[in-house]
Amino acid sequence: QVQLQESGPGLVKPSQTLSLTCNVSGGSITNGGYYWSWIRQHPGKGLVWIGYISYDGTPDYNPSLKSRASISSDTSKSQLFLRLTSMMAEDSAIYYCARGPHSEARARGVDVWGQGTTVLVS
Amino acid sequence: DIQMTQSPSSLSASVGDRVTITCRASQSISGYLSWYQQRPGKAPNLLIYGASWLQSGAPSRFSGSGSGTDFTLTIDSLEPEDFATYYCLQTYETPLTFGQGTKVE
Repeated sequence: QVQLQESGPGLVKPSQTLSLTCNVSGGSITNGGYYWSWIRQHPGKGLVWIGYISYDGTPDYNPSLKSRASISSDTSKSQLFLRLTSMMAEDSAIYYCARGPHSEARARGVDVWGQGTTVLVS
Repeated sequence: DIQMTQSPSSLSASVGDRVTITCRASQSISGYLSWYQQRPGKAPNLLIYGASWLQSGAPSRFSGSGSGTDFTLTIDSLEPEDFATYYCLQTYETPLTFGQGTKVE
């Protein structure tokens, strides 16, 4: 079955750009009609959707991030990427990549999650 | 943005109890509502999708109901492994939005 694994620097300095990678195994990013989401969770807090990229490469973002987020993919390597510019202390969080929702069955939710990667801005 | 309001934010329960968590949307989201369980240090796990459909592999003691703006997650008989935090998520439109979570302790 599909598995997701995030990786990234762990520690970034304020004002720098965060770059995270999500390796997708057991399935194709382009087949199946899924959107592929990035979601973050501040320490001890709730979940926030950052954005997603569709199976055809079209992204959509949460406006709350004020255009700092960029999501892309490399389908040949089955990888998803998140870039977040102008990092601030408030961006310290666990970042998850996840599969879902489905483009033709949005009610099916987000059904596969990576284990998450912790990012500290300091 | 669609606001998702969960209640309660936390609750105390015992093994064997029936537990109910509610989620209210700021506008109608039809049945585009899913529920997630998150244990400490772990990623969220999908329990219910489409408001009332049990995700494959999720225990049958979990059930969901509702449509439009008001939704409910019920745990029929609480098991020790069910002490966790639960979130609702609307996928009706972007930005996707989560409820603030309900901690069952």
